[in-house]
Amino acid sequence: AQKITQTQPGMFVQEKEAVTLDCTYDTSDQSYGLFWYKQPSSGEMIFLIYQGSYDEQNATEGRYSLNFQKARKSANLVISASQLGDSAMYFCAMREGYNTDKLIFGTGTRLQVFP
Amino acid sequence: ETGVTQTPRHLVMGMTNKKSLKCEQHLGHNAMYWYKQSAKKPLELMFVYSLEERVENNSVPSRFSPECPNSSHLFLHLHTLQPEDSALYLCASSQGSSTSTDTQYFGPGTRLTVL
Repeated sequence: AQKITQTQPGMFVQEKEAVTLDCTYDTSDQSYGLFWYKQPSSGEMIFLIYQGSYDEQNATEGRYSLNFQKARKSANLVISASQLGDSAMYFCAMREGYNTDKLIFGTGTRLQVFP
Repeated sequence: ETGVTQTPRHLVMGMTNKKSLKCEQHLGHNAMYWYKQSAKKPLELMFVYSLEERVENNSVPSRFSPECPNSSHLFLHLHTLQPEDSALYLCASSQGSSTSTDTQYFGPGTRLTVL
C-alpha cells in the first residue's frame, strides 16, 4: 500500500547550517511523484520541490534540494544555509502514476532554526 | 488576489449551526480539493472536484457537503458538526492532469472550532 514515513518529529538546526529532513516511501508503482511542502504556523501549505520517479537528476529549487535514492525509496529534503524563516513543519507527499488525484502525506517534521 | 484564497480564516461554531467555508483559486486550474488537518494526524483528503464534477469522496460524513459551482470556486457547507470536527481545513487546486506530476497548491486554511 502507498505510504509515506517521516521518522523525525522534530529537528533543530543553527542558522546558516544545512539540514536534512528524512522521507521514505512505499509504492509498487513504477511511475510516481514526490513532493515537499512547508507549513509555517500561519497554516498555509507551501509547495517547495518536486521529484519524478523517472527523473535521473536530483531536483533543486534555490536552497532546497531533494536527495532521491530510488533503490532505497527515500526522498530526503536538504535545506542549505538555513534561515530563521525556515522554521516550520515540513511534509513529504507522494502521488502515484496515472488517473489518480490522491496525494498521500507523511506526518511531518517540525524544523526549528536557532540563531 | 493571487494563488488560492480561503475565507474565513477562523471560524467558531456551535454544533447546531450551519456555516460555509469558501475557497477561490486564481491559477486557472481545473481541479480543487478539500483536506482536513487534525492535530498529530496526516492530512486527510476529503473531496476532489475535477472540471466541477466530484471525482472523490473519501468516506466523509454527510454533515460535510461540498459544492463546486465553477472551476474557480469551491465551498464546504457544514451542519450539525461535532467537536471532533475541529481542525484546519485546507483547500488546494491543481491542473487536474491526474498524473504523478500534477502539483497541488494550497490556500491558507480555515481553522474551525466546534463548541
